[in-house]
Amino acid sequence: ETGVTQTPRHLVMGMTNKKSLKCEQHLGHNAMYWYKQSAKKPLELMFVYNFKEQTENNSVPSRFSPECPNSSHLFLHLHTLQPEDSALYLCASSSGANNEQFFGPGTRLTVL
Amino acid sequence: GIQVEQSPPDLILQEGANSTLRCNFSDSVNNLQWFHQNPWGQLINLFYIPSGTKQNGRLSATTVATERYSLLYISSSQTTDSGVYFCAVGDQGAQKLVFGQGTRLTINP
Repeated sequence: ETGVTQTPRHLVMGMTNKKSLKCEQHLGHNAMYWYKQSAKKPLELMFVYNFKEQTENNSVPSRFSPECPNSSHLFLHLHTLQPEDSALYLCASSSGANNEQFFGPGTRLTVL
Repeated sequence: GIQVEQSPPDLILQEGANSTLRCNFSDSVNNLQWFHQNPWGQLINLFYIPSGTKQNGRLSATTVATERYSLLYISSSQTTDSGVYFCAVGDQGAQKLVFGQGTRLTINP
């Protein structure tokens, strides 16, 4: 247990569906992140939130919509995804002290 | 942006062997982390080591920041050490972690 939880752990959705991924951290951190890990590619940063404010959007398509209502919760809203969006989506959090990041277990997403 | 290269890409060893994994990076960093990704995808923090040497049981790591590399040592390998090991460095003020491609370690009984 890293103190970062993610739900659901597995998700299968069609291209016309709308779904949301949830991340919660119990570490008292002020920064939260979404990463994407596709097969045979390195982990890629998608979004960064500091104190609920988005500070990084790594050229992510608009069909991915993040939401950070408070420093402990982070969502990734998904709509009209493509099969190539199938991947492992990882959430992380860090404090401002040294930015050591701690990761959740991930959501394995399959888009049909 | 910063580039991160890990070597070797794959490593197959017998239980009990020692191993050294290398991470080279292209610019100065103030955040460097080593992770172990288990078969279920969970990234487990091994070390936060932007410089210096740390040890945790059978694992140790050394980062030589001036020469832009880090090494992860695993001694007396066990089958549970199998998985992918990632090095990640902080870019743009350390918050943006850039990951290497990973080293896939397989420990055979």
